[in-house]
Amino acid sequence: QKEVEQDPGPLSVPEGAIVSLNCTYSNSAFQYFMWYRQYSRKGPELLMYTYSSGNKEDGRFTAQVDKSSKYISLFIRDSQPSDSATYLCAMSFTGGGNKLTFGTGTQLKVEL
Amino acid sequence: NAGVTQTPKFRVLKTGQSMTLLCAQDMNHEYMYWYRQDPGMGLRLIHYSVGEGTTAKGEVPDGYNVSRLKKQNFLLGLESAAPSQTSVYFCASRSHKGTGWGPDEKLFFGSGTQLSVL
Repeated sequence: QKEVEQDPGPLSVPEGAIVSLNCTYSNSAFQYFMWYRQYSRKGPELLMYTYSSGNKEDGRFTAQVDKSSKYISLFIRDSQPSDSATYLCAMSFTGGGNKLTFGTGTQLKVEL
Repeated sequence: NAGVTQTPKFRVLKTGQSMTLLCAQDMNHEYMYWYRQDPGMGLRLIHYSVGEGTTAKGEVPDGYNVSRLKKQNFLLGLESAAPSQTSVYFCASRSHKGTGWGPDEKLFFGSGTQLSVL
């Protein structure tokens, strides 16, 4: 079993839809949670960061962490074609060897 | 500001050949990483470095070697390439201000190297 599980998709939605992307994890020590966005043929870029449990909102994006369920989510409101990309969750913990553990990524396509 | 630069962008090797991938960063970051990305496997850490002259093994180090002779450069070597090493390779760097991962300690990635081993 992988430490971090993520549905690979692909996920196709119409423009303007609300998108929900999710990851589950098994290591209860994880305390730093991130979402990276990766456009085709590019390197990933940090999109959202959350420490421990709770929500964080940034424009159309909301990140949620539920540590009791070992479950994190990324919501995209009013999705746009420019949101079409692969979204990777990533997580770590203090003393984790300075490493991030990534999910496999979910490929999202927002259609006109 | 170039950020993280990887060379080459594409390469085709025959089984048994050797090559070196170069990563250069101009942000004065202490930490540098080499990942490989394969369909269905996500990003997997090969090796990383926490400073000039240091290297450490990641999740999938076998068949690869690395060197960090200068702070700004991190080299990934394949001594005898195998078809299983066909992948997209990403280098990343990170500033480090303390333990853990603070909100401004993100990974900066290069644009990747597509490597095919025939």
